Amino acid sequence: SQTIHQWPATLVQPVGSPLSLECTVEGTSNPNLYWYRQAAGRGLQLLFYSVGIGQISSEVPQNLSASRPQDRQFILSSKKLLLSDSGFYLCAWSEPGLAGNEQYFGPGTRLTVT
Amino acid sequence: GENVEQHPSTLSVQEGDSAVIKCTYSDSASNYFPWYKQELGKGPQLIIDIRSNVGEKKDQRIAVTLNKTAKHFSLHITETQPEDSAVYFCAASIYSSASKIIFGSGTRLSIRP
Repeated sequence: SQTIHQWPATLVQPVGSPLSLECTVEGTSNPNLYWYRQAAGRGLQLLFYSVGIGQISSEVPQNLSASRPQDRQFILSSKKLLLSDSGFYLCAWSEPGLAGNEQYFGPGTRLTVT
Repeated sequence: GENVEQHPSTLSVQEGDSAVIKCTYSDSASNYFPWYKQELGKGPQLIIDIRSNVGEKKDQRIAVTLNKTAKHFSLHITETQPEDSAVYFCAASIYSSASKIIFGSGTRLSIRP
């Protein structure tokens, strides 16, 4: 069966520091991968999605970036964190192609920027 | 682009009663409507979904209805139990090879014992 992992689970970083969050999926090949951010008590905002290695689409302009160095690895990065980057970051995957509508979420990373 | 509105934002029901959460969407091309349940500190979990070629789908105590003409869909939970307490999100997307799901703002459901 498929599983999705995210780490770290929690992170406290000072303003201006870099960020790297990692997401990996097991048990499937060539998945679609997604990064979402959830502010406290709010809905989910799609940040990036990827349909293949090196293919990244950005949904919201910001100081974050995403990369997909391997088929089942998705990384969210920032060179300099802002206070407004605090939130709950969720990675999700879906099957490739026309089956790729059901998205399955990882456990999330709670980021606090101080 | 697509916009999904969800009501109510909070809902409290007596254990054993039914709960209904309603959503509307703006893009008539949307044809896939999932519902997610999120427990505190965890990622959302897909609990049920419906595609536009059906008007209703049921899975034990959970049912979803879809009215394409009015562009609204609803989640119905019957015989609520304490473990149903969570935040529920509706969502809409266009069935494609890389679905971008647009989420509602969520409903915090509390079940009173």
